[in-house]
Amino acid sequence: LAKTTQPISMDSYEGQEVNITCSHNNIATNDYITWYQQFPSQGPRFIIQGYKTKVTNEVASLFIPADRKSSTLSLPRVSLSDTAVYYCLVGARTGRRALTFGSGTRLQVQP
Amino acid sequence: DSGVTQTPKHLITATGQRVTLRCSPRSGDLSVYWYQQSLDQGLQFLIQYYNGEERAKGNILERFSAQQFPDLHSELNLSSLELGDSALYFCASSVGTATNEKLFFGSGTQLSVL
Repeated sequence: LAKTTQPISMDSYEGQEVNITCSHNNIATNDYITWYQQFPSQGPRFIIQGYKTKVTNEVASLFIPADRKSSTLSLPRVSLSDTAVYYCLVGARTGRRALTFGSGTRLQVQP
Repeated sequence: DSGVTQTPKHLITATGQRVTLRCSPRSGDLSVYWYQQSLDQGLQFLIQYYNGEERAKGNILERFSAQQFPDLHSELNLSSLELGDSALYFCASSVGTATNEKLFFGSGTQLSVL
């Protein structure tokens, strides 16, 4: 069952690119990688999902190497409003594990 | 707006009491999930229902129970409340049960047990 490991916290400045890496060494063949963003006192919000290579949307990019044992969420030119907790989830065959959020990465963006 | 509605937004009660949290999923979503988030804690998965049936169970205490009704709304019942049950309770919904489905979260119910 794929367990994820992320940095506990990261700091950045406005306008910089932020890359948050998630390790998932035991990812299964059919597992997708999904990232969520959570602001204080709000429910998490879906950011991006991928299976392999690179996925880009209007908010972020997700880079997944060929072995899929890690993934990197890239936030271009962050602003103060990107200060939040970011969670990496990897699907698993059993429902319970797939629904488990880790501790996430607390991103603090400074002016 | 995620389309998931949770009521009430805030709930203050005393130890030993029982409360019911309500969740209406997005239109068309058949799965409902309940999560608990204590102060500075991650999201703890409690339970999932799909089309009225329990689908997956997480770290849900025996004092807690949930159900999903025919109209697909769900209720989370918390009884014999303790101080440690104070937390944000989130409901989420998705179309089905595939593990790669997006979860849409409500704005949560803040429970304070005094």
